Amino acid sequence: EVQLVESGGGLVQPGRSLRLSCSASGFIFDDYAMHWVRQAPGRGLEWLSSISWNSGSLGYADSVKGRFTISRDNGKASVYLDINSLTTDDTALYYCGKGLIRGDSGGYALEYWGQGTLVTVSS
Amino acid sequence: EVLMTQSPGSVSVSPGERVTLSCRASQSIDTNLAWYQHKFGQAPRLLIYGASTRVTGVPARFTGGGSGTEFTLTIGSLQSADSAVYYCQHYNNGPARWTFGQGTKLEIK
Repeated sequence: EVQLVESGGGLVQPGRSLRLSCSASGFIFDDYAMHWVRQAPGRGLEWLSSISWNSGSLGYADSVKGRFTISRDNGKASVYLDINSLTTDDTALYYCGKGLIRGDSGGYALEYWGQGTLVTVSS
Repeated sequence: EVLMTQSPGSVSVSPGERVTLSCRASQSIDTNLAWYQHKFGQAPRLLIYGASTRVTGVPARFTGGGSGTEFTLTIGSLQSADSAVYYCQHYNNGPARWTFGQGTKLEIK
């Protein structure tokens, strides 16, 4: 059974940094692209970033480029999202997702999602 | 960045009926489109990719179509369990620059 478990969320002050983690199991992690998506309160889904199976291809939404950094550790079957200079606009539920297509740099779509980790940015 | 626009914003339909949701891309995306179902308090569920390919386990009453800039998701024989927000999502080849539509809220009366 595929499982994705996000962690690292919580209450953070504006201007601080945060690292979100996503631990994966139930599939060959090394073979798939991984993504981060968020949903702010009352808003829709927003794609944030992706990393290919070998970390050779990274992608970022224009809205977060330069402030968010994605990385992965295939030995730990984990993907990470580093967020700098947090603002109240970053308050959201952050999901990690597994790409659908094995070996593709992006994976086409997100076949499996975690339950999300909540980030609240407030002073 | 490709802009995805969904319509309508919300729709209310009776059980047993059929509904068609629309998604428009700001430029041609061939068939690089996926559809998701998102219920409150749950993770989103992938329904369709490649504009029309159903994911294993998705009922045949969910049908995706379109190419280029115009796409549709048709849901037949609507059930109360279909109440959710439906999102389209564009994907590209190479370094990912994906975008979601703003979603369509489907209510079953």
